[in-house]
Amino acid sequence: SYVLTQSPSVSVAPGQTARITCGGNNIGMKSVHWHQQKAGQAPVLVVYDDSDRPSGIPERFSGSNSGNTATLTISRVEAGDEADYYCQAWDSRSGHFVAFGGGTKLTVL
Amino acid sequence: QLQLQESGPGLVKPSETLSLTCSVSGGSISSGNYYWGWIRQPPGKELQWIGTVSDSGETYDNPSLRSRVTLSVDTSKSQLSLNLNSVTAADTAVYYCARQGMGTGWGLGNAFDVWGQGTMVTVSS
Repeated sequence: SYVLTQSPSVSVAPGQTARITCGGNNIGMKSVHWHQQKAGQAPVLVVYDDSDRPSGIPERFSGSNSGNTATLTISRVEAGDEADYYCQAWDSRSGHFVAFGGGTKLTVL
Repeated sequence: QLQLQESGPGLVKPSETLSLTCSVSGGSISSGNYYWGWIRQPPGKELQWIGTVSDSGETYDNPSLRSRVTLSVDTSKSQLSLNLNSVTAADTAVYYCARQGMGTGWGLGNAFDVWGQGTMVTVSS
């Protein structure tokens, strides 16, 4: 299976920039997607294919992916952004495995 | 607007089979060459991919669950099905179905872009 590693938590003040990373072997060669999950709710896709945003997702959410690290960046963080964030990627070399990262809890101070 | 709704028993006894259905409305399972996935989340833990089925019935599953999982799609009923046998307490989780349809890649490489609300399943005697 393919392992995606995320830091357990990130804390930022409102208005600041949050960066959430997702590490994986040669992840830069894969398409990475990011999901936001608020407490008690189903996940919501916020970034797909490394850096694209689904309709309705604010421009404050952006992504990048290179080498062994993909990054979700949230600019001008708001209280409503507090949630768990999960990265997702597919690895074909391990027999068609869809991996999720362990999740990062974003706390808005 | 596409909607997914999971249904099934909320309580399953150890060693028995967990059976869930996902009903798709507001769109067709068989349009657009979409893939459809099952994901679970134990209480307080991370998301875990269970498996994915294509609209033509091809299945892909997590090796850690492969021997116990059966996935299927019924396009006539717009339903997906998940069977997980020989369950234990470790299978207690919220189970989600989701469309794997956003992206420029092939099926499994795409993002889960529409999620059901999830259904909690507890394994206990």
